[in-house]
Amino acid sequence: DAEITQSPRHKITETGRQVTLACHQTWNHNNMFWYRQDLGHGLRLIHYSYGVQDTNKGEVSDGYSVSRSNTEDLPLTLESAASSQTSVYFCASSGGVGELFFGEGSRLTVL
Amino acid sequence: GENVEQHPSTLSVQEGDSAVIKCTYSDSASNYFPWYKQELGKRPQLIIDIRSNVGEKKDQRIAVTLNKTAKHFSLHITETQPEDSAVYFCAATQGGSEKLVFGKGTKLTVNP
Repeated sequence: DAEITQSPRHKITETGRQVTLACHQTWNHNNMFWYRQDLGHGLRLIHYSYGVQDTNKGEVSDGYSVSRSNTEDLPLTLESAASSQTSVYFCASSGGVGELFFGEGSRLTVL
Repeated sequence: GENVEQHPSTLSVQEGDSAVIKCTYSDSASNYFPWYKQELGKRPQLIIDIRSNVGEKKDQRIAVTLNKTAKHFSLHITETQPEDSAVYFCAATQGGSEKLVFGKGTKLTVNP
C-alpha cells in the first residue's frame, strides 16, 4: 500500500544545531507540503513543492529550507534551531486539488 | 492570501446530539473545502470534502454545506458518538492553487 513516512518521529536538539526531518511518500504525488502544528494555531504551511526541483515558501518559512531532488522525498531543514521551532511537524502529499495525505508527524523539541 | 476562520474553538455535546462547526474564508477563488479529523496523538485524516460547484454533500452521519456567496461552509455531525471526540479542522484552497490553508481547529467532546 502507498504511504507517507516521516523520520525521526521524536527528536530533542539544542539551540543553534542544524536539524533535518525526512519525509518519504510512495503515492507518486507531485505535491508535497510541510506544516507545523502548535496549540492555538492549527496547521501552518512552512514550505511546499509541486514537483522535482520546485520549492515554494509558505506562511511561516523563516528559519526553514527544503529541497526536492526526486518525486518521493521532501526533507525539511532547520538551519539553526531555535526554541520557537519546538513543534509537531507534519509532512503531506497530494496528487492535485484533492485529499491531502499526512505523515504520522515528527515531534521536535529545541532546548 | 487566504484566511480561514473556524468557530467554535471548543464544543461539548451529549451523545446523540448534533454538532455544527462553521468556517469562513476570504478568497473568492477558493474551490475546494475539506474537513479533517485528528484524534489525540494521530495524524489529520480527511472525513469529507466539497468542491465549489456543489452546495451540500452527505456521508452517513456527516454532512458539509457550502455557501459561496457568503464564503462560509459548515460541518454537521448527527447522532454524535464518543468516538467522534477529536479535533476537527476545516481548510480551503488558496485561490486556484493546490495548497490548503487550515482553520485553527475545533475540539469536539462527546459526553456519554
